[in-house]
Amino acid sequence: GAGVSQSPRYKVAKRGQDVALRCDPISGHVSLFWYQQALGQGPEFLTYFQNEAQLDKSGLPSDRFFAERPEGSVSTLKIQRTQQEDSAVYLCASSVQETQYFGPGTRLLVL
Amino acid sequence: EDQVTQSPEALRLQEGESSSLNCSYTVSGLRGLFWYRQDPGKGPEFLFTLYSAGEEKEKERLKATLTKKESFLHITAPKPEDSATYLCAVSGSRLTFGEGTQLTVNP
Repeated sequence: GAGVSQSPRYKVAKRGQDVALRCDPISGHVSLFWYQQALGQGPEFLTYFQNEAQLDKSGLPSDRFFAERPEGSVSTLKIQRTQQEDSAVYLCASSVQETQYFGPGTRLLVL
Repeated sequence: EDQVTQSPEALRLQEGESSSLNCSYTVSGLRGLFWYRQDPGKGPEFLFTLYSAGEEKEKERLKATLTKKESFLHITAPKPEDSATYLCAVSGSRLTFGEGTQLTVNP
């Protein structure tokens, strides 16, 4: 079956620009997670949804980061007024029990 | 705070040379320990979930084991296509990853 998909795969933004990253989870997966992965590092937790409810957003690095999942399926991670330190790979994962399945990620480069 | 430490950071093996990767962890209330494989430019690919000390799981040339403090990923007779970064993660209140071991298998 289809896995987790993310779009765009690559995004180049000018500093100060707003960006929106999309995640399509595996059909039927209730839980959805966003992670940020810097080069050479493991993924770091950003936020977690169960259906449309955002249950944990403690990993979001600043109030410029915002995530939503209005209908309990597709999710969007929005970054406002991007900064160079936001450059990273943003990974989305979905799960039905404990095991999380990851998408290919969106590589964001802020110039 | 949950913590995961992986060693070594990088490992070079010759094809057929077996070895082990280590994952040491501290977690409040382990709900699972996970191994993932990550190829360059791709997302982590799920390999194994271990839930309790003493548990072992195998898949092809890979075998994962778990104790109360650490997990090992044993690679038997590796092939060049096993080259990747192997990530360990623990599930407590959230999924916490180590920094990974970059494995290179030379033909």
